[in-house]
Amino acid sequence: QSVLTQPPSMSGAPGQRVTISCTGSSSNIGAGFDVHWYQQLPGTATKLLIYGNTNRPSGVPDRFTGSRSGTSASLAITGLQAEDEADYYCQSFDSTLSGWVFGGGTQLTVL
Amino acid sequence: EEQLLESGGGLIQPGGSLRLSCAAAEFTFSTNALSWVRQAPGKGLEWVSGISNSGGSSYYAGSVKGRFFISRDNSQKKMFLQMNSLRAEDTAVYYCARGRFLTWPDWYFDLWGRGTVVIVSS
Repeated sequence: QSVLTQPPSMSGAPGQRVTISCTGSSSNIGAGFDVHWYQQLPGTATKLLIYGNTNRPSGVPDRFTGSRSGTSASLAITGLQAEDEADYYCQSFDSTLSGWVFGGGTQLTVL
Repeated sequence: EEQLLESGGGLIQPGGSLRLSCAAAEFTFSTNALSWVRQAPGKGLEWVSGISNSGGSSYYAGSVKGRFFISRDNSQKKMFLQMNSLRAEDTAVYYCARGRFLTWPDWYFDLWGRGTVVIVSS
């Protein structure tokens, strides 16, 4: 069981907006540690989507938006496209474990 | 193009040892921290170990502490993971990833390799 909890799967139609949640605790997100998001497509290297809660690396479309509040964080994807079909992971630091932790991942299906 | 390339995976019996390598291309290797992240079949990502840019500091997940040892050779632009006393639950794809942070310890991983497969089975 992951320290950070994500919904195992989500789906949306092209053009729609989906929001993937990442729920932590007082030893990670709630302690103020940053949340980062990754996209994993089959056959390709894992890609950083959001760092430092809200920042997009160069080349990541502004359809991807990150936020953090309390012990949770979210990744919003607007204008859903077929190529967004992938696995998405959140990541943070946990002070109890003294290490970096990932969410269990969310498999996003574009209908 | 900046790249990370893992090697050294394979099939190993429980209790055995294996050494993974990660080679870097097209970026200043010695100024970047690095980590190993693994993914068991059908499972999510799990951070395994990390090392500072100089190699002076190393970090381990509880599941591998005392069995795995991370190191790097900046002159060769390579990072290594020595894995001892391997267990079936260590079976996974092992990725190396470049670590950045805005403030410590908020590491994030901005460049990933394609991974090397480790299978621990008799």
